[in-house]
Formats: sequence, C-alpha cells, structure tokens
Amino acid sequence: DAKTTQPPSMDCAEGRAANLPCNHSTISGNEYVYWYRQIHSQGPQYIIHGLKNNETNEMASLIITEDRKSSTLILPHATLRDTAVYYCIVSGTSYDKVIFGPGTSLSVIP
Amino acid sequence: SAVISQKPSRDICQRGTSLTIQCQVDSQVTMMFWYRQQPGQSLTLIATANQGSEATYESGFVIDKFPISRPNLTFSTLTVSNMSPEDSSIYLCSVEVGQRSEKLFFGSGTQLSVL
Repeated sequence: DAKTTQPPSMDCAEGRAANLPCNHSTISGNEYVYWYRQIHSQGPQYIIHGLKNNETNEMASLIITEDRKSSTLILPHATLRDTAVYYCIVSGTSYDKVIFGPGTSLSVIP
Repeated sequence: SAVISQKPSRDICQRGTSLTIQCQVDSQVTMMFWYRQQPGQSLTLIATANQGSEATYESGFVIDKFPISRPNLTFSTLTVSNMSPEDSSIYLCSVEVGQRSEKLFFGSGTQLSVL
C-alpha cells in the first residue's frame, strides 16, 4: 500500500499559488518525500524531493513539517500547463521500489 | 538524466493473443520497474526487474501472465500474455539511475487496447 494520503482533487486559479498537501505519518527516518506529476497519461515527471529541510527548485517548493509527518508542494504561480495529477511518494534513496497512491488531480482554472 | 524508449507506443490486440513491450535505456541501470495504469487510475507496480535474476512480482501479478526478460543493463521486455479486455491499460517502464535526485525516470508508456 502507498504510504501517503492526498486529497483526490483540487482547483487553483491561474497565476495563484497551488498548495498541494500530503500526509505521510508512517515515514521512517531514512525515507525521502518525492513529488511527481503526470500530464495526459504521459510518464510521470519528477518535480522535487526532500528529507527534512524545505527545498526549492525552478519548478516548485517543498515544505516538510518538523515531525516529517506531512508536507506541502507549492507551485508559486500556477499556469494552465500545471493541470495534472500530482503524486506524493515516500521512498528510500537507493533501489527501493516506489508505490504510487491515487494522487491529487489539480485543475488550474483560467 | 536517463532517456527511455518504449515500443510500441500503442497497440490494439485481439483477445487471447500476447504482446511484448520493449524498454530501452540509454545508460546502464540496475533497477528497472514495470507499472500498469488502468484507465482513470494511478500507477500499479507489476514487477521489479534486475539484470541476471528473475523478476520480483507484486501481489496480484504472476510470471505466467506477465513474463519479463532483463538480458542486460539497458534493456527489458514485458509480455502481456493471453490478453483479455481487462488488460487494456497503459504499461510504463521505469528505471532508477543510481543515487540521482529524480529517483525514477519513466518511459512514455505503451497504450494497450484489447478487443
């Protein structure tokens, strides 16, 4: 079973920040939080990952709570092209199989 | 990054036949994974394929139905055997490239429709 829970769907106005939550209360000390997204049934695309510190890259920011039991993916200025299914995944770094949950279907609205 | 080529990109097959999906990676990788994505659903892991050893199947998937080959570090095949309409799905090949930030790279998938 997936180790994460996410809301099934969310809407976001174009140009606004999209905040996607994820619960991973059973995460272990050596497991990272990864985020992927899937557009139109293409292969999932990596977005960002983190262990315990907040992370930022050109695509998004990842905020992880101090107890590491939950996190939030932030798309700072959502565009229509960000409409996709977003998957939050917990996994070790090396050769640990990845189990996908249902993800969050994000709709960016004009 | 890793570039993954999956063939065929789509196919329409008759019930009872078999289809072999190929996955070619542009670099040597230890771990390859095969996923299935049924219409409107998330990805489900079918099996993990390591070079030189038999694939490890997840619960609900068996070798007779989904035989996998992994002849070298850049190539794998997944066969969907004795197909039925319930096998209509997208099948995705995925690889892990060492200790990379991206964790997993995915092919573009094979869209399979069984009539």
